[in-house]
Amino acid sequence: GQQVMQIPQYQHVQEGEDFTTYCNSSTTLSNIQWYKQRPGGHPVFLIQLVKSGEVKKQKRLTFQFGEAKKNSSLHITATQTTDVGTYFCAGRNTGKLIFGQGTTLQVKP
Amino acid sequence: DTGVSQDPRHKITKRGQNVTFRCDPISEHNRLYWYRQTLGQGPEFLTYFQNEAQLEKSRLLSDRFSAERPKGSFSTLEIQRTEQGDSAMYLCASGGYNSPLHFGNGTRLTVT
Repeated sequence: GQQVMQIPQYQHVQEGEDFTTYCNSSTTLSNIQWYKQRPGGHPVFLIQLVKSGEVKKQKRLTFQFGEAKKNSSLHITATQTTDVGTYFCAGRNTGKLIFGQGTTLQVKP
Repeated sequence: DTGVSQDPRHKITKRGQNVTFRCDPISEHNRLYWYRQTLGQGPEFLTYFQNEAQLEKSRLLSDRFSAERPKGSFSTLEIQRTEQGDSAMYLCASGGYNSPLHFGNGTRLTVT
């Protein structure tokens, strides 16, 4: 069945450093979504990518969708303590959305 | 937009008992999803509905799990003969076709 893998599982950075998480799917995706989950909270939608090679930016966050529509990345520039949480990618190729295992980001002030 | 509502927030049950959870989605959303999440893991897909039709159910899901959405609005997830391995956070989400999911706060199940 469809699998979505995410690396790294954990990342500890100093405030101000950059952060990147990578997502790979075993199958070609129709779209990919990114979510953020704070400790004790539920996943909250960040962005959706649909087109091959698409790049979208949200302030310090840059999202990319691979040319083959099987991989994606999230890059955060100059992390802040408010960026702490777990970032999930979620890929769709039929109706269901399959989540990766997430990357947990810790930011040291 | 009142958000996705789940009830109860917490459920503690003894092994072998049946439990039922309820999810009220955002009213204009025709798709409703159930996920299960354990500590340190991503949400694991269980099943989803479009209106009242259950379109897909995870092959990993045992026959002890069943979900319904009888009128295309709220949904229930029932677990029969609970086992300790069923302990997890059960998340409900709603959305439209190919659109973002809006998650509820979840029901935390503890099986003793």
